[in-house]
Amino acid sequence: DVKVTQSSRYLVKRTGEKVFLECVQDMDHENMFWYRQDPGLGLRLIYFSYDVKMKEKGDIPEGYSVSREKKERFSLILESASTNQTSMYLCASSLVRSPLHFGNGTRLTVT
Amino acid sequence: GQQLNQSPQSMFIQEGEDVSMNCTSSSIFNTWLWYKQDPGEGPVLLIALYKAGELTSNGRLTAQFGITRKDSFLNISASIPSDVGIYFCAGPQITTGTASKLTFGTGTRLQVTL
Repeated sequence: DVKVTQSSRYLVKRTGEKVFLECVQDMDHENMFWYRQDPGLGLRLIYFSYDVKMKEKGDIPEGYSVSREKKERFSLILESASTNQTSMYLCASSLVRSPLHFGNGTRLTVT
Repeated sequence: GQQLNQSPQSMFIQEGEDVSMNCTSSSIFNTWLWYKQDPGEGPVLLIALYKAGELTSNGRLTAQFGITRKDSFLNISASIPSDVGIYFCAGPQITTGTASKLTFGTGTRLQVTL
């Protein structure tokens, strides 16, 4: 069974801090994604990657960056956290043109 | 990016009732997907639809791909407490490399009372 693991379930950070959210998948999937989930807005795509060192902007990339140095790991970076980045962050992975498998999410609070 | 609007936004129903929800888009999709998110977990794929007019079932769930390709519907029959969660529709926009950029709807939160 596919496992997508997000390193933290809950995270509390201060405004201006640099924040790393880590995601690891164990099924050798080419594609990895970062979404944020907010009530009434659904899931919105931040960044995705279809290969090591490759990244593409999603719909809301501002204020975020990503890193994919190894196939199994996809990191989301908040260079300078702000309160409007308080949200649930979901990582997902997939094979080529196959369904997404999601992790259980990281709930980030920026104070 | 594109928007997928779901209605209702939330609903309370009694156990045993049937549930209907829908998803509409301003643009055409060639695939419609329905995901469910249980409390505290990530979304899981329920049903995939690939052709306009297609009707697909998965147990008590039935989903339809609208004829106009701009909407989709999900029905749940005889709801049970474990149906609680958030239901999302989704559709792929563009493909870059091997990845499809999936747009998700705003979600329908379902709560079931005994």
